[in-house]
Amino acid sequence: QAVLTQPASLSASPGASVSLTCTLRSGINVGTYRIFWYQQKPGSPPQFLLNYKSDSDKLQGSGLPSRFSGSKDASANAGILLISGLHSEDEADYYCMIWHNSACVFGGGTKLTVL
Amino acid sequence: EVQLVESGGGLAQPGGSLRLSCAASGFTFSGDEMNWVRQAPGKGLEWVAYISSLAMTIYYADSVKGRFTISRDNAKDSLYLQMTRLRAEDTAVYYCARGTLDWGQGTLVTVSS
Repeated sequence: QAVLTQPASLSASPGASVSLTCTLRSGINVGTYRIFWYQQKPGSPPQFLLNYKSDSDKLQGSGLPSRFSGSKDASANAGILLISGLHSEDEADYYCMIWHNSACVFGGGTKLTVL
Repeated sequence: EVQLVESGGGLAQPGGSLRLSCAASGFTFSGDEMNWVRQAPGKGLEWVAYISSLAMTIYYADSVKGRFTISRDNAKDSLYLQMTRLRAEDTAVYYCARGTLDWGQGTLVTVSS
């Protein structure tokens, strides 16, 4: 089982809100990890969006609109990237990441389509 | 403005070697940890290696351990990745990253006979 699992794809309409999930493998407690989120558009390198450990311990990327936010769902053992008020330019691949056992681990990525 | 410029990619034969470089500017290079991350064509991101600011701590992904070596020259604001015993599955765009924040544009490594 992968350390981090993301849905392969999601679609939503402009103006809608969407939650991208990053589920940690059983036995790895999301509460103890800082979750990093990256956006990647075709032909471009990944871009750091934000990281989230708790409401009092988080970092928003420079210039990132406030409609991007991070959170956790402890019951699902998952990190969440919430994008509100979707824009067409939010269409991209989104990756989550954690540091686990002295290694950086990425989720498989979610392709977000804005219809 | 932070700039990370990778170079050294290209075509290599299986079993061959390549050395990637990453020239950094716009920040105090000697104060930041660095990573190499790769992305195979059409695939997701895979972390390769980490080096602390003074090179006291180094970590590798299991997939490259024993074959790749990460290093840095803080006097030259440069990060390196020496890749040996290359395999077809090492084919990817290799990005250098300043910690977890800033990324270069990447350099393509193709391993093929």
